[in-house]
Formats: sequence, C-alpha cells, structure tokens
Amino acid sequence: DIQMTQSPSTLSASVGDRVTITCRASQSFSSWLAWYQQKPGKAPKLLIYKASSLESGVPSRFSGSGSGTEFTLTISSLQPDDFATYYCQQYNSYSRAFGQGTKVEIK
Amino acid sequence: QVQLVESGGGVVQPGRSLRLSCAASGFTFSRYGIHWVRQAPGKGLEWVAVISFDGSNKYYADSVKGRFTISRDNSKNTLYLQMNSLRPEDTAVYYCAKPGEVVPAANYFDYWGQGTLVTVSS
Repeated sequence: DIQMTQSPSTLSASVGDRVTITCRASQSFSSWLAWYQQKPGKAPKLLIYKASSLESGVPSRFSGSGSGTEFTLTISSLQPDDFATYYCQQYNSYSRAFGQGTKVEIK
Repeated sequence: QVQLVESGGGVVQPGRSLRLSCAASGFTFSRYGIHWVRQAPGKGLEWVAVISFDGSNKYYADSVKGRFTISRDNSKNTLYLQMNSLRPEDTAVYYCAKPGEVVPAANYFDYWGQGTLVTVSS
C-alpha cells in the first residue's frame, strides 16, 4: 500500500503569509492526488483534485502541484478563514490513502 | 443539492454490533460507488470501505476486513455499514463520502456527510 507523509505536521503563520504544505508518497503514482481542508467538528472539504485542479467554489489563492512522489498545496495569501487542518489523499482504483494532516495555526 | 446524511451511531460495548446508514439525495446515487471514511477523536482520516455503483464489488481497509460489511439499496438511495465485533479502536466519527466522478479510479470525495459518532466502550 502507498503511504502518504505530510510535512510539516503543524505550521504557524500570519494572515497574508504564503503557505506551502508538502505530501510525499512512499512510491510513485500518477497525479491522482487530492487536498482537503477540515475545521473542528466539520466534515472535510475538497480543495484540489488531480493534483492541481481547483474544485468549484474554492478561492484561487489555493493551488496544487506535483507528480510522482512529491506534491504541494500552496495558499498564496493566508486568510483568517484558512486556519484549519489540511489533508492530502492519494487515490486510484485500488487504494485511497490519506496523509496524517497539517494543522495551520495562527502565529 | 447533494446531501449525505448518516445515522445509526451511538455507544456500544466491545464485541457488539452496530449498523450505520447514509441517506443520499441530490444526485443519481445508483451511478456512483460510495465510500465510508472514519476519523478517531483527535486523529486523521482513515478510509474504511467502498462499494461499487451496483453493489457487485466491495473493498475494505485491512483494519476492518472480516468484521465490517458495506452494502447499499439503490431503490432507497441508502448506503449501509454493518459493523460486527467492534473494538475500542473503532471509536470514530464515520462519514459517507461521494466520489467526484463516476469512473472507478476517481476516488476523491467532493461531498461528505456530517458524520455519525460511534463509541466502543464498556
């Protein structure tokens, strides 16, 4: 099974900062990667799919990139509503593995 | 609009059983494979199981294989998760989740239910 490792586990940042979260896979796969945002007590919300496709309604400050074994989620200018936990997810027909999460905290 | 509403959670003793339901609306339920994903308190997301659009194929995480059974009733637009031989480590919020596309490989989730809490404790 593919294992997904996110870094950092926790990130302290200020409003307006550019933030990058990395997700590394234990083995190479195609660009079948998604990113989610989760706030306490809420279900995850899809941000990015197919590594770089922005889900409808998601602000353009969110972007995704990468392929193979390394993927990134970038928030170009952190907003107050963006303080949350972010998860990557690898998916294909046979597996779907989540990273352990990155909590973005207020600095 | 798409809605997924889970029910059936609660407190159960170790070794006992529980059945979760997920009522779907706002999309053609019978065209999509549907998933269960869980989240233990304070922990990350863990994929649990998936059932194909017609119920003919089912896949499970190793942690629940042999104990949990996923099923669906397309006439009722409802997904189920029968959980037997429950363990304390099964304590989690259980979400049903809809894939973003009908193709089997597109197992990213564009809609999630609100979740139902299962607590396994004596």
